[in-house]
Amino acid sequence: DSGVTQTPKHLITATGQRVTLRCSPRSGDLSVYWYQQSLDQGLQFLIQYYNGEERAKGNILERFSAQQFPDLHSELNLSSLELGDSALYFCASSVEGLWDTQYFGPGTRLTVL
Amino acid sequence: SQQGEEDPQALSIQEGENATMNCSYKTSINNLQWYRQNSGRGLVHLILIRSNEREKHSGRLRVTLDTSKKSSSLLITASRAADTASYFCATASSSGTYKYIFGTGTRLKVLA
Repeated sequence: DSGVTQTPKHLITATGQRVTLRCSPRSGDLSVYWYQQSLDQGLQFLIQYYNGEERAKGNILERFSAQQFPDLHSELNLSSLELGDSALYFCASSVEGLWDTQYFGPGTRLTVL
Repeated sequence: SQQGEEDPQALSIQEGENATMNCSYKTSINNLQWYRQNSGRGLVHLILIRSNEREKHSGRLRVTLDTSKKSSSLLITASRAADTASYFCATASSSGTYKYIFGTGTRLKVLA
């Protein structure tokens, strides 16, 4: 158990809908990262937050957005969902986020029908 | 090709044998990390090697880094069936933009 929690574990929704994925980092970690893992794209870095501020942006679509709240938990919002958004979404956290070890949560499996 | 490509894509060995996986990357890096992922589950961090380090050990794991060749290798000695998983390298870089890039992974199967 990494100490990172993600909810929900599974999510099934329809195209065009909007969903919110939630992540609670390990106690004491200030950075949160979001990743998308799909069969054809592999593991893709989406975005990183450090202590409430956006720190780095990867291959995140404009339909996706994220934020980190004062209690350091984070949410990833996915809107106007398409079939291709079906994937495993992982959250990870680290102490500072400069170049340190990331601890991954169990993931949320999103299925868009 | 992508930053962080593992080689081979798949590897099947007998229990007790050593497994070697390679990772190549393109840009300058600050560190390189190796992760293990059991099917459909979260990634588990194995080892981090900084750009100024050449070799690092952790239990049965040995990681090397050659920044001149932009490559790293992960050696698992005396493999066990429980080592069956996918292994990913990940690079942390501030070259251009600050980002993390994961490789395509090596699927390791250890036969009992």
